Amino acid sequence: DIQMTQSPSSLSASVGDRVTITCRASQRISTYVSWYQQKPGRAPKVLIYSASTLQSGVPSRFSGGLAGTDFTLTISSLQPEDFATYYCQQSYIIPLTFGGGTKVEIK
Amino acid sequence: QLQLQESGPGLVKPSQTLSLTCTVSGGSISSDTHYWSWIRQPAGKGLEWIGRIFTNGNTNYNPSLESRLTISIDTSKSQFSLRLSSLTAADTAVYFCARGTVGRGGWFDPWGQGTLVSVSS
Repeated sequence: DIQMTQSPSSLSASVGDRVTITCRASQRISTYVSWYQQKPGRAPKVLIYSASTLQSGVPSRFSGGLAGTDFTLTISSLQPEDFATYYCQQSYIIPLTFGGGTKVEIK
Repeated sequence: QLQLQESGPGLVKPSQTLSLTCTVSGGSISSDTHYWSWIRQPAGKGLEWIGRIFTNGNTNYNPSLESRLTISIDTSKSQFSLRLSSLTAADTAVYFCARGTVGRGGWFDPWGQGTLVSVSS
């Protein structure tokens, strides 16, 4: 199975901060990564797919990137509604796997 | 817009079989560009992909669950279903159904709201 290692597992930040979350794949998976946002008691919502394509309707402050086997999700200016848990997911090979999650909390 | 809704028992006894159904509305379940998946999440933990089914009935399962798992589809009812046997407490989780996009790079959207399944005697 491809392991998706997310870091950090949690972070505290203030409104307006720039936040970057990293997901490292255990092997090369091209650009086949999606990012999801999940709020308590809700289903995950896709933000980014194919590493850097913004899903329709998602604010442009969210962006995705790739450097080697490290995928990044960046929030350019954190808003109150962005406090949530974020997950990466690879779709390169079965079984599809998710990262362990990054909880973004208010500082 | 497409909506997914899970249904099934909230409480199942150990060693029994869990049956869940996902009903698709607001669009067609028959598609060459999408497939239908089950994903679960134990309380306070991360997401685990369970398996998927295509409209033609082809399936892929997570090897960790494959020996206990069956996913089926009924296009006439716009439903797909999960059966997971020999349940233990470790199967207690919120179970989500979701639509996936075919091909590498595919993503899950939309998701159902999730249904909590507790395995307990």
